[in-house]
Amino acid sequence: DIQMTQSPPSLSASVGDRVTVTCRASQDIRNDLGWYQQKPGRAPKRLIYAASSLQSGVPSRFSGSGSGTEFTLTISSLQPEDFATYYCLQHHTYPWTFGQGTKVDIK
Amino acid sequence: EVQLVESGGGLVQPGGSLTISCAASGFTLSAYWMHWVRQVPGKGLVWLSQIDNYGIDTNYADSVRGRFTISRDTAKNTLYLQMSSLRADDTAVYYCVRGLIGLDYWGQGALVTVS
Repeated sequence: DIQMTQSPPSLSASVGDRVTVTCRASQDIRNDLGWYQQKPGRAPKRLIYAASSLQSGVPSRFSGSGSGTEFTLTISSLQPEDFATYYCLQHHTYPWTFGQGTKVDIK
Repeated sequence: EVQLVESGGGLVQPGGSLTISCAASGFTLSAYWMHWVRQVPGKGLVWLSQIDNYGIDTNYADSVRGRFTISRDTAKNTLYLQMSSLRADDTAVYYCVRGLIGLDYWGQGALVTVS
């Protein structure tokens, strides 16, 4: 199975901060990676697909980059509604696997 | 508008069986691959199973292979997950998810408690 190592597990940030979350795949997954945001009690919502393409309706402060084994989700200016848990997902090879999640909370 | 609505969750005894459903609207199941993902409350997301748009090819996580079966009814535009030999560690929220370049639209989830 492909392991997705996500870091950091949690971070504290302030409104307006630039935030970066990283996922490392245990083998080359090309650009078969998505990023998801989940708020408590809610279903996940996709932010980024194909590593760097912005999902329709998602604010442009979210961006993704990377290919192969190293991927990054960046929030350019953190907003109050962005406090949530973020997950990466590799869909290159079954079984598909998620990162462990990064909880972003208020500093 | 794409909507996925799960139903059928609940309390089941260890060793028991349960089938959860996912009613799709705003699109046709037969045009998309569909998936099930689960989440133990307070924990991370785990991909479980996939069925192709023809309803023929399926894939499963090792943890559920042989115990869970994914299927669909195109006439009802509904996806199913039949679960048997349930264990306490199957307790989770089960999400139905549409597949398009990964996973795009998610249902609201159905809680299954094995106790």
